[in-house]
Amino acid sequence: NAGVTQTPKFRILKIGQSMTLQCAQDMNHNYMYWYRQDPGMGLKLIYYSVGAGITDKGEVPNGYNVSRSTTEDFPLRLELAAPSQTSVYFCASSYSTAGYQETQYFGPGTRLLVL
Amino acid sequence: QKEVEQNSGPLSVPEGAIASLNCTYSDRGSQSFFWYRQYSGKSPELIMFIYSNGDKEDGRFTAQLNKASQYVSLLIRDSQPSDSATYLCASWVTGTASKLTFGTGTRLQVTL
Repeated sequence: NAGVTQTPKFRILKIGQSMTLQCAQDMNHNYMYWYRQDPGMGLKLIYYSVGAGITDKGEVPNGYNVSRSTTEDFPLRLELAAPSQTSVYFCASSYSTAGYQETQYFGPGTRLLVL
Repeated sequence: QKEVEQNSGPLSVPEGAIASLNCTYSDRGSQSFFWYRQYSGKSPELIMFIYSNGDKEDGRFTAQLNKASQYVSLLIRDSQPSDSATYLCASWVTGTASKLTFGTGTRLQVTL
């Protein structure tokens, strides 16, 4: 199993550009998450999905969009990139229910720099 | 108001000593707690989780939970230089659709 994979590993964007961060998992997990981590800070939840076709906002959703058409993939879209979106982005997945939280497994991260 | 708080450190301990990492939380509905280790430039990886009051041991690691006082701790015995990393505490509140709330992490330095 590859686990959780993310592409690209690193990207530089100009202000106003758009891009999609890719995330895929092969563990048949129902839940998937997108976090951002700024230097010296903890993880902040951007969006999450409880299954294909179902997504919801996290703590810091502004400036981002997601979709989940399959169990495996959960892309994160940045529209009109801003310097405030410079961060490291982590995708994670888990098998979870409303009453039980299993371990979240993280991808290797995407480092994004907006200039 | 932060829901999960950790001292950012760095916490410096000599090799072979016990490292004690602490975490407090504000939501009494928190059911489970997770400790993740994150090396610089890498993604978080789970060390252990705990959901019952008391101690839970796994090798050199012991997690302690005190729900009455709303704190969680992680003890690392026989600390090694390879334990030098940032340790993230996370809580899960039942009914929140499996969202974890992370603290900002404590940086641990194990010195030779």
